[in-house]
Amino acid sequence: DAKTTQPPSMDCAEGRAANLPCNHSTISGNEYVYWYRQIHSQGPQYIIHGLKNNETNEMASLIITEDRKSSTLILPHATLRDTAVYYCIALKGGNQGGKLIFGQGTELSVKP
Amino acid sequence: NAGVTQTPKFQVLKTGQSMTLQCAQDMNHEYMSWYRQDPGMGLRLIHYSVGAGITDQGEVPNGYNVSRSTTEDFPLRLLSAAPSQTSVYFCASSAQGEGTEAFFGQGTRLTVV
Repeated sequence: DAKTTQPPSMDCAEGRAANLPCNHSTISGNEYVYWYRQIHSQGPQYIIHGLKNNETNEMASLIITEDRKSSTLILPHATLRDTAVYYCIALKGGNQGGKLIFGQGTELSVKP
Repeated sequence: NAGVTQTPKFQVLKTGQSMTLQCAQDMNHEYMSWYRQDPGMGLRLIHYSVGAGITDQGEVPNGYNVSRSTTEDFPLRLLSAAPSQTSVYFCASSAQGEGTEAFFGQGTRLTVV
């Protein structure tokens, strides 16, 4: 699975959009980009995933560049409850047995 | 539908003791996995399973055993606990196939003294 690189921390004002970048320059054609987040010390929570196209769900949007070497997770109207560590993970199709390799993630602080 | 259930939530062990962390899921997921998370770190994969009777090692398997006799359960055994195994342990499950999401339990906080 491709290695991903994320900034260690980011701040965002409440009500504004939070844009979290992820670099995955060695990603292969059959690797999905997944985003999870971990609030405080709870179990990680799935947010969104994509392969080639941009994706949107009720939680967030995922923008993947055309060359697939980077992506951005967008939380359109961040709230204080979005303060968490966000993990970007590249994972081959077929889920590879569900084995997720986590990096250090980005610690997002949403401030009033 | 309870999702992924881990027991116990908290445990204190003495060095050298053994114990089993329990993980059960009621979503009929084929894949299950165990992770540990040390303070200030991301999760690291210990063992995983793609189905009943099949297990494999992850990034940090030493000191842990697993078995998968049923689809629902995936227990993690600490053979002889060491202080270095003090951590928070998370279990996860996911369905087989492309683009499926993982569901995590709420974790077991283990302290080895």
